[in-house]
Amino acid sequence: NAGVTQTPKFRVLKTGQSMTLLCAQDMNHEYMYWYRQDPGMGLRLIHYSVGEGTTAKGEVPDGYNVSRLKKQNFLLGLESAAPSQTSVYFCASSVDRARRVDTEAFFGQGTRLTVV
Amino acid sequence: GENVEQHPSTLSVQEGDSAVIKCTYSDSASNYFPWYKQELGKRPQLIIDIRSNVGEKKDQRIAVTLNKTAKHFSLHITETQPEDSAVYFCAARIQGAQKLVFGQGTRLTINP
Repeated sequence: NAGVTQTPKFRVLKTGQSMTLLCAQDMNHEYMYWYRQDPGMGLRLIHYSVGEGTTAKGEVPDGYNVSRLKKQNFLLGLESAAPSQTSVYFCASSVDRARRVDTEAFFGQGTRLTVV
Repeated sequence: GENVEQHPSTLSVQEGDSAVIKCTYSDSASNYFPWYKQELGKRPQLIIDIRSNVGEKKDQRIAVTLNKTAKHFSLHITETQPEDSAVYFCAARIQGAQKLVFGQGTRLTINP
């Protein structure tokens, strides 16, 4: 049971390049979230998903897209990276409907992205 | 939408003293309030949570209190130890929406 795994752990992009961050969870969780963490700004919600095939915007969605084609995976895409997207990105998952228990959010280990 | 404000942004206490971190939330429909601890370079991890039908919850040296009328909740750490040094985040979730919104974080430093 690996929990929540993010790929890659580190990445450096040039302005204008694109990339996809992968989040995978093996806990059968319904909900998945993407956050970015910047100094003094806490964890800001980018996009989230309440189930396979569904996505919704969070607090800071501009410049990002997401997809949830499989229940266990939540992808975060940057189509044209900008220096303002330099940040640490965290994925999280929660809620196991099959157990009818509202669980805590479990976080991945983070992805440090630098856009130059 | 939901907004969570957290204070203070930094907190320094002597080892053995107590630390208190406070959060306020905007949406009265919020019903779940977790607290996360993040050590340097690591992922946030849940340390305690409280639901809206409870006013206080305690786990050893850590306690959380909730005032639904005033829409604020607090984290209390007693008998602080060096390993309590970390960044602490509060969060709130709105019933039905399932968005989990975080405060800005508090950097807690325990001085020996």
